[in-house]
Amino acid sequence: DTGVSQDPRHKITKRGQNVTFRCDPISEHNRLYWYRQTLGQGPEFLTYFQNEAQLEKSRLLSDRFSAERPKGSFSTLEIQRTEQGDSAMYLCASSSSGMGTDTQYFGPGTRLTVL
Amino acid sequence: SQKIEQNSEALNIQEGKTATLTCNYTNYSPAYLQWYRQDPGRGPVFLLLIRENEKEKRKERLKVTFDTTLKQSLFHITASQPADSATYLCALQPNTGNQFYFGTGTSLTVIP
Repeated sequence: DTGVSQDPRHKITKRGQNVTFRCDPISEHNRLYWYRQTLGQGPEFLTYFQNEAQLEKSRLLSDRFSAERPKGSFSTLEIQRTEQGDSAMYLCASSSSGMGTDTQYFGPGTRLTVL
Repeated sequence: SQKIEQNSEALNIQEGKTATLTCNYTNYSPAYLQWYRQDPGRGPVFLLLIRENEKEKRKERLKVTFDTTLKQSLFHITASQPADSATYLCALQPNTGNQFYFGTGTSLTVIP
């Protein structure tokens, strides 16, 4: 297993367009998290899945953002009608509840630039 | 309001010295506190976890302390090396829910 992977690594889009990012977690991990990180800040929680169920969603997340995790494997994060304020690094992390503690393994991130 | 603060934006120390980073929090009841390292353009990498009922944890040159009365964690890197230069993030997981809350990070530079 090579860890958490994310695709694409970079995305440049025009304001108003829709974008979709993919995250492939570590295969035996049942938990998956999405975060957003802007320059000089720590990761900000967006949403959390346990298996295929989306159990938590940040109140800061507007309804332009949606995430899915069909079959409890990979996950997608879609942003509709992008705005310049959406420009950030989008990080995915996975963990295993069977480990007893929730150590997260992060992917390399997708850097989004909205022009 | 809930807040996680990490000490000074940037910390510069001489190689071989001990680096001490702080993480202070308010209005949280953390079940766990974790420390991560992040290099530019990369995702955070887990370093250490400490539970609310633990006072100290060590791993090689790293040591974490956790004082739930002071609402503070200290992260120490002994015998620091230039390769330790990175941003270090603390993260809390409350004892309710599954969210993690990250601090803004401290940028550490170890000068040869």
